[in-house]
Amino acid sequence: AIQLTQSPPSLSASVGDRVTLTCRASQVIGISLAWYQQKPGKPPKLLIYDASSLEIGVPSRFSGSGSGTDFTLTITSLQPEDFATYYCQQYESYPLFTFGPGTKVDIK
Amino acid sequence: QVQLQESGPGLVKASETLSLRCSVSGNSITDGSYYWGWIRQPPGKGLEWIGSLYYSGATYHNPSLKSRVIISGDTSKNDFSLKLNSVTAADTAFYYCARGAYGGSFDIWGQGTMVTVSS
Repeated sequence: AIQLTQSPPSLSASVGDRVTLTCRASQVIGISLAWYQQKPGKPPKLLIYDASSLEIGVPSRFSGSGSGTDFTLTITSLQPEDFATYYCQQYESYPLFTFGPGTKVDIK
Repeated sequence: QVQLQESGPGLVKASETLSLRCSVSGNSITDGSYYWGWIRQPPGKGLEWIGSLYYSGATYHNPSLKSRVIISGDTSKNDFSLKLNSVTAADTAFYYCARGAYGGSFDIWGQGTMVTVSS
């Protein structure tokens, strides 16, 4: 089974900071990767699919990159509403899926 | 506007069967452009894909759940269901239903429902 690891597990940042989160797959997955944002008590929200495609309605300060085994989610100029936990998900093994363990972004 | 809503008992006894329903509005579960999934999240922990239902009726589930999972759809009600048998405390979690786009990220999610397994 394809495993995903995310780093760091958590980070503290300030409003206006540029933040980069990493997701690494245990084997090559092409660009079959999505990123989600989850706030406490809410369901996950799709941000990025196919590694770098921005979901409709998601602010352009979010961007994704990578292919193969290494992927990044970048938030330029972090906003107060961006403090949340971020998960990656692979679908290379479609119709079976796995999620990463998440990265929590909180306020410094 | 597509909406998904989970429903079912919030408390299940250990060794019994957890049963949840996901009601879908704004999109037919027979729409061949999408599939329908269940994902869970133990309190304070990460997301775990449980399984998915396709318009053809085909279902797939997480191998880690060792065939305890049954997912089915009711086209007359436009909803789909999850049954997880022989539950233990480890099955205590928030359960979400979601719509999957072919290829496969989950683009629309229900609000989730908390299920606690009691001993």
